[in-house]
Amino acid sequence: DVKVTQSSRYLVKRTGEKVFLECVQDMDHENMFWYRQDPGLGLRLIYFSYDVKMKEKGDIPEGYSVSREKKERFSLILESASTNQTSMYLCASSSSRGVQGVRGNTIYFGEGSWLTVV
Amino acid sequence: DQQVKQNSPSLSVQEGRISILNCDYTNSMFDYFLWYKKYPAEGPTFLISISSIKDKNEDGRFTVFLNKSAKHLSLHIVPSQPGDSAVYFCAASEWSGNQFYFGTGTSLTVIP
Repeated sequence: DVKVTQSSRYLVKRTGEKVFLECVQDMDHENMFWYRQDPGLGLRLIYFSYDVKMKEKGDIPEGYSVSREKKERFSLILESASTNQTSMYLCASSSSRGVQGVRGNTIYFGEGSWLTVV
Repeated sequence: DQQVKQNSPSLSVQEGRISILNCDYTNSMFDYFLWYKKYPAEGPTFLISISSIKDKNEDGRFTVFLNKSAKHLSLHIVPSQPGDSAVYFCAASEWSGNQFYFGTGTSLTVIP
């Protein structure tokens, strides 16, 4: 089974603090993603990475940065946390090795990290 | 611009009846579609998928239908069970790309 592990399930941080959210996957997937989920807004992509040391901005990258030094690990960094970054953060991974027309790439999610910024 | 849309934020169904969740997309390049189920305080879990070369895929109580001309897909759950109560997200991707585009989700409540 694919396993995507997020290091922290629940965090409470103060405004202005630097926050690190860590994610590890064990399936040798090339692609890794960070989303946030907010009620009524669905899953919004923050950043993704398709290779080590590569990163691409998603839909809402402002206030966030990422780091991918190893294939299995993808970190989300909030440089200076703000209250509007209170949310559920979801890490995910996928392979690039689907079979066209038969089996596409499936994205697998971690359990999520609930971040509250006070 | 939202490329994948789930226009019904919520749906209530009696236990044992059919649940039908709908999803529309705008990008004709999408050729792979997925449904995810999400319980509160948990990450989404993969439910079922369909490739654009098919119009139907079935897995137990779950069936996904794809209408490419209408750019529409639906998830049917028969019979619905209380444990199916969750938020359901549809997603789409292109074969050539590595990104996934999600709808905003439909919250399904199955009433015992």
